[in-house]
Amino acid sequence: GQQLNQSPQSMFIQEGEDVSMNCTSSSIFNTWLWYKQDPGEGPVLLIALYKAGELTSNGRLTAQFGITRKDSFLNISASIPSDVGIYFCAGATSGTYKYIFGTGTRLKVLA
Amino acid sequence: SAVISQKPSRDICQRGTSLTIQCQVDSQVTMMFWYRQQPGQSLTLIATANQGSEATYESGFVIDKFPISRPNLTFSTLTVSNMSPEDSSIYLCSVEALSNLMAFFGQGTRLTVV
Repeated sequence: GQQLNQSPQSMFIQEGEDVSMNCTSSSIFNTWLWYKQDPGEGPVLLIALYKAGELTSNGRLTAQFGITRKDSFLNISASIPSDVGIYFCAGATSGTYKYIFGTGTRLKVLA
Repeated sequence: SAVISQKPSRDICQRGTSLTIQCQVDSQVTMMFWYRQQPGQSLTLIATANQGSEATYESGFVIDKFPISRPNLTFSTLTVSNMSPEDSSIYLCSVEALSNLMAFFGQGTRLTVV
């Protein structure tokens, strides 16, 4: 099935650094969601975006709905060890409640 | 957000057998979905569980292999039938609020077929 492309695929960063990742699609989406998944757990919803250009924060996390509606971005500021995990984006098109998930970005934080 | 409980959390099954996974939500929800996450991969939607009617399956998934029940607005089951090692995956239940289109997940069922 269709998937969204996330980059980078994986990244190692030092504790305290800021992190940026993105999600791109060939299709237009009306809703973007960002999730974090820890090993052995289900994805946990971090941020929801509903309008092109929208910028939404959740603590140290900030996500943006791209103005073309074909991409979205997630930033994590001042990373800490518990930020380790896999981050997924998910997009839904107008008129559907079904989400397509991105390929994931695996984040590893070096203390 | 709703509290979503899946059972079992994990299982090891023999090939050729079937496993039924349960998803219980602590509040009534309109939209329920089942996803599969193969090892090291992203999530793929299997089907939408419709209350009182047959589930709606995505391309590549069929009812004979993944029968789904949804008898009410708080409960659904997914059966993985005639299992083979290729069915080894995490199966996830998801619910979505129509008011804000936020989708929440259960903790998943980790299935290993031997």
